[in-house]
Amino acid sequence: DIQVTQSPSTLSASVGDRVILTCRTSQSTNTWLAWYQQKPGKPPKLLIYMASRLHSGVPSRFSGSGSETEFTLTISSLQPDDFATYYCQHYNGYWTFGQGTKVEIK
Amino acid sequence: EVQLLESGGGLVQPGGSLRLSCEVSGFTSDTSAMFWVRQAPGKGLEWVSGVSGSGDSTYYADSVKGRFTISRDYSKNTLYLQMNSLRVEDTAVYYCAKAAGPFYFDYWGQGTLVTVSS
Repeated sequence: DIQVTQSPSTLSASVGDRVILTCRTSQSTNTWLAWYQQKPGKPPKLLIYMASRLHSGVPSRFSGSGSETEFTLTISSLQPDDFATYYCQHYNGYWTFGQGTKVEIK
Repeated sequence: EVQLLESGGGLVQPGGSLRLSCEVSGFTSDTSAMFWVRQAPGKGLEWVSGVSGSGDSTYYADSVKGRFTISRDYSKNTLYLQMNSLRVEDTAVYYCAKAAGPFYFDYWGQGTLVTVSS
């Protein structure tokens, strides 16, 4: 099975910071990689799909990139509404989530 | 507007059964694969089960294979998850999710809590 690992587990940042979250897969993969944002007590929301495509309605400060085994989610200027946990998810016959990165206020 | 509304969660004893439902609206359900994804308290997301748009194909995580059964009723626009032989480790919020591709999940319900405890 392909393993999906996110780093860091927790990231402390301030409003206005540029933030980069990383997602690594244990084997070289296709670009079926998605990113989700989840706030406490709420369901996840899709942000990015196919590694770099912005889901409808998602602010343009979010962007995704990467290929092979390393993918990143970048928030260009962190806003108060962005403090949340972010999950990557990969598809390779199965749907595998990373363990999440919590973005907290510094 | 796409909407997914789960129901059926609750408290059940180990070894018991429960059936979750997810009523969908706002899209043509027979063209979209549908999934159940769960989240144990304080933990991450885990894919549980899925069914293709046509209903011909079903998918199960190893952790639930042989115990859970996914199905859909097109006439009622409803997705189901029949959960048998429940274990304490099945305790989680269960989300219904619409799949796109079906490689990722573009819309999610609010979730329903299943607690397995004696």
